[in-house]
Amino acid sequence: DQQVKQNSPSLSVQEGRISILNCDYTNSMFDYFLWYKKYPAEGPTFLISISSIKDKNEDGRFTVFLNKSAKHLSLHIVPSQPGDSAVYFCAASGNFGNEKLTFGTGTRLTIIP
Amino acid sequence: GAGVSQSPSNKVTEKGKDVELRCDPISGHTALYWYRQRLGQGLEFLIYFQGNSAPDKSGLPSDRFSAERTGESVSTLTIQRTQQEDSAVYLCASSFQGDSYEQYFGPGTRLTVT
Repeated sequence: DQQVKQNSPSLSVQEGRISILNCDYTNSMFDYFLWYKKYPAEGPTFLISISSIKDKNEDGRFTVFLNKSAKHLSLHIVPSQPGDSAVYFCAASGNFGNEKLTFGTGTRLTIIP
Repeated sequence: GAGVSQSPSNKVTEKGKDVELRCDPISGHTALYWYRQRLGQGLEFLIYFQGNSAPDKSGLPSDRFSAERTGESVSTLTIQRTQQEDSAVYLCASSFQGDSYEQYFGPGTRLTVT
């Protein structure tokens, strides 16, 4: 039972354009959501998070949007840069983050120069 | 400051042998987590420590897997009688459990069981 789903295994975007990565979840008890970026042979790196009391959180080029009614979140990267090419994981947690993370299967983002 | 470190970075072992994987969390982080990522799959939760106790062991796949944490610092994940399906990257993460709960990951240990 996949509680966090990333339905696009891969995405290619032109450099300078917007990258939009999507994530859906099924467990209504999740109240804290995170995005991680992973390069080959490295551990995931935390990017940005959002609590369920918000619908948007922005940090530089990265913005996460949360639609609780649809159980959907998205990560926007603008403008996209070649260094953004990586696998992006969506993760969710309960108790406002004070629990284990449940991860999606990841989306491989490729930025085309 | 130093991040989460894990050792060894790679481990090849024969089926049936025991292995120990080590994690050194970020200093001052009270929470420590173990995950694994099998080929082509997402990260799978194994166990969570708060201090030296493990309130959530629900992800350990069998009784061949165990973990301990001492001194609210280093943790060891032990896999006994390894099987080929144990082959994966084992990742450790730690978090402060204060105002923010982001988990910070180590580089992982790639375990190959032959």
